[in-house]
Amino acid sequence: ETGVTQSPTHLIKTRGQQVTLRCSSQSGHNTVSWYQQALGQGPQFIFQYYREEENGRGNFPPRFSGLQFPNYSSELNVNALELDDSALYLCASSLYGHRNTGELFFGEGSRLTVL
Amino acid sequence: AQTVTQSQPEMSVQEAETVTLSCTYDTSESNYYLFWYKQPPSRQMILVIRQEAYKQQNATENRFSVNFQKAAKSFSLKISDSQLGDTAMYFCAFMTPLGGGGTSYGKLTFGQGTILTVHP
Repeated sequence: ETGVTQSPTHLIKTRGQQVTLRCSSQSGHNTVSWYQQALGQGPQFIFQYYREEENGRGNFPPRFSGLQFPNYSSELNVNALELDDSALYLCASSLYGHRNTGELFFGEGSRLTVL
Repeated sequence: AQTVTQSQPEMSVQEAETVTLSCTYDTSESNYYLFWYKQPPSRQMILVIRQEAYKQQNATENRFSVNFQKAAKSFSLKISDSQLGDTAMYFCAFMTPLGGGGTSYGKLTFGQGTILTVHP
């Protein structure tokens, strides 16, 4: 069974740039969620994708967008980067529907630094 | 607003002793899950224990158990026989349905975390 993998693990961008983060779901999982974790804080829900559509969204501006592909992998895109976007971005996969036990399986995250 | 509060930023315990981490939450939902997640320095978040809100019986997983007080909206984690590998940041979280129908879960609301250090 393959776990959740994310890439890149670390990256540095400058303010105003755009970034794309990638995530491969755990084998058999059809739902992916993204979280932003600032240093020393708990993760904050960005959005969730199921069947290639956004299925729920947290309190993040539209410059945070995502994609889910037919193989359930996902991308998180952030445009017009701001200094406050510096954080660890976590991807989590799960099962949708009646088989959902509530448990999310997390990747190790992508550490984004915005200068 | 749905919130989770962990009032202990840091805790420490000696190896083999017992420690309890506190958590309170606030939600208007009637159906939800409660979790404790562990995030070691390697960063990967790992599920420690899970509780369904409609179940009165407290969940137990080996050395880990919870004290779930639904009316008080309290969900504490007890770690027995603490081990050096238990050193990590611990997050309390709850999960509520997303959107209509109540069949889509996935939005975790996390607390601020408690750093637990186990000393030899």
